[in-house]
Amino acid sequence: GAVVSQHPSRVICKSGTSVKIECRSLDFQATTMFWYRQFPKKSLMLMATSNEGSKATYEQGVEKDKFLINHASLTLSTLTVTSAHPEDSSFYICSAATGNTIYFGEGSWLTVV
Amino acid sequence: AQTVTQSQPEMSVQEAETVTLSCTYDTSESNYYLFWYKQPPSRQMILVIRQEAYKQQNATENRFSVNFQKAAKSFSLKISDSQLGDTAMYFCAFMGRGTSYGKLTFGQGTILTVHP
Repeated sequence: GAVVSQHPSRVICKSGTSVKIECRSLDFQATTMFWYRQFPKKSLMLMATSNEGSKATYEQGVEKDKFLINHASLTLSTLTVTSAHPEDSSFYICSAATGNTIYFGEGSWLTVV
Repeated sequence: AQTVTQSQPEMSVQEAETVTLSCTYDTSESNYYLFWYKQPPSRQMILVIRQEAYKQQNATENRFSVNFQKAAKSFSLKISDSQLGDTAMYFCAFMGRGTSYGKLTFGQGTILTVHP
């Protein structure tokens, strides 16, 4: 079946640096991908919709300059957390839809120290 | 905009018994999908069951079944013969069709613990 792969699964970065998370659809083309953020024991909150070849659509309250999303190809979307701070530490997960099914990446744990 | 509400933050059940998780939603759309996802400690999102709003018949998947009440905008999940491996966080989710296809709105989640 279709697979969405996310990398890295865990990353630790220093405060003030930037970190990039990749989301790949391995055997299907995804013109749209979605990025969610999840705090411990909380729900998944949609951050933005990644659109291939155009600008991402951000949800209200999400800083577009801090969370840069690029969707340069039909199989890859990237989320870059810029000038990371400890409060950006969280679990980030991406998804893509094909047919009538939604596929999730494995998620990425980001820790900012 | 649509909202999804899960009013049970935590539930527990004895192994082999039945448990029902509640979910209500609000939308102005007439055609949409509803989902239940399981998230174990690994954080992997596992699809449990899916319901298409235009289908009146309740979806079932082995030990999992839903009670879909479209007029009441209710979508509960029943787990029969609960197993220890069912211990996880469960999310109810809504997806519209058309331009919002692929975008999920999640409920707050219910932590389910199955006791031996």
